[in-house]
Amino acid sequence: GDSVTQMEGPVTLSEEAFLTINCTYTATGYPSLFWYVQYPGEGLQLLLKATKADDKGSNKGFEATYRKETTSFHLEKGSVQVSDSAVYFCALTRTGFQKLVFGTGTRLLVSP
Amino acid sequence: GAGVSQSPSNKVTEKGKDVELRCDPISGHTALYWYRQSLGQGLEFLIYFQGNSAPDKSGLPSDRFSAERTGGSVSTLTIQRTQQEDSAVYLCASSFPVEKYGYTFGSGTRLTVV
Repeated sequence: GDSVTQMEGPVTLSEEAFLTINCTYTATGYPSLFWYVQYPGEGLQLLLKATKADDKGSNKGFEATYRKETTSFHLEKGSVQVSDSAVYFCALTRTGFQKLVFGTGTRLLVSP
Repeated sequence: GAGVSQSPSNKVTEKGKDVELRCDPISGHTALYWYRQSLGQGLEFLIYFQGNSAPDKSGLPSDRFSAERTGGSVSTLTIQRTQQEDSAVYLCASSFPVEKYGYTFGSGTRLTVV
């Protein structure tokens, strides 16, 4: 079945460091891909998405490119801030499937 | 409303009591989902409603859990005879259509069973 694999956390970085959180997927056809962020004590918020191969999603300085050849959707940010500390979830769905399949989440800790 | 609204935001209950958690989705969203998130854990799918179709209950962990969605809008998740292992954050989400826009989540209800 469909699945999403994320890198284990926590990822610990200093402020202004470069961030990569890896996400790979297994799915038939052409899924849509999403990144969600969950700040402490809050629900999940959609961060960015890509609905077809080679699309790049971007928001708040974060980017991810839908790579069908490597079945990946890695999240990147050039310079992280303390306020980016959160848990990040990668997810996918397929047309007609109606549900998102989530990865296990990756906790990011950014220190000043 | 502008977002998905859940109530209460926090609920403390005694073991063995029944609880009801409410979700008010975004107007016009035909799909509604319930997930559970235990402390420090990922997301556990519970149940999914789509329009007037029969709900997908495949994630409900036991028959103590049930949910309904009235009039295609508000949903209530009921947990009967609560146990300590039911303590978690219960998240509701709505969508339309999911492959284009993903889910919009509510802020969740933190349930503590003492």
